[in-house]
Amino acid sequence: GAGVSQSPSNKVTEKGKDVELRCDPISGHTALYWYRQSLGQGLEFLIYFQGNSAPDKSGLPSDRFSAERTGGSVSTLTIQRTQQEDSAVYLCASSYRTGGAEAFFGQGTRLTVV
Amino acid sequence: DAKTTQPPSMDCAEGRAANLPCNHSTISGNEYVYWYRQIHSQGPQYIIHGLKNNETNEMASLIITEDRKSSTLILPHATLRDTAVYYCIVRGDSWGKLQFGAGTQVVVTP
Repeated sequence: GAGVSQSPSNKVTEKGKDVELRCDPISGHTALYWYRQSLGQGLEFLIYFQGNSAPDKSGLPSDRFSAERTGGSVSTLTIQRTQQEDSAVYLCASSYRTGGAEAFFGQGTRLTVV
Repeated sequence: DAKTTQPPSMDCAEGRAANLPCNHSTISGNEYVYWYRQIHSQGPQYIIHGLKNNETNEMASLIITEDRKSSTLILPHATLRDTAVYYCIVRGDSWGKLQFGAGTQVVVTP
């Protein structure tokens, strides 16, 4: 596809369950970002991948959150033992490279933990 | 990356130019200025970026002061669809995250 694709678009899960969110970046983009946005709040950085370098995980809020990027393309964000405060829109973005390159965002996955 | 300061909100009349200021007084020589916007319930959208020179594209113009300590995003003819939160971000030319602040909520009124 032409843009960043995220799936599912909506996810409702029970508290305590694990969830996986998927991001398909634009082909050829080496940088991939995950953010989350709680209702009415700003974008909170979670994790950043750039090529084969070690990811910047400085934004992950707890060890229940993890992400991987396989083959330098598709990325999966996993949240274990979900809590109600994890409810948010999770946004993925990709770019060709850092510095002087714009990032393209997907439409996000709306996660609701009940 | 340098921190940015933006007004929390501003109104603009439809058809008029919207001038959105951003202060980045601690910017360093290799850091770019980016502008993104987020329309309600959508993912952020790239608008424009620059390093030293003023830039223009089909969406907007970016004016960067000579000392690079501030910049202005200009939407030349604001429409109702331009109502959004506008983010000014500074980031260096090394790998790293885009750090979004609170942005400016722009409301374009008829």
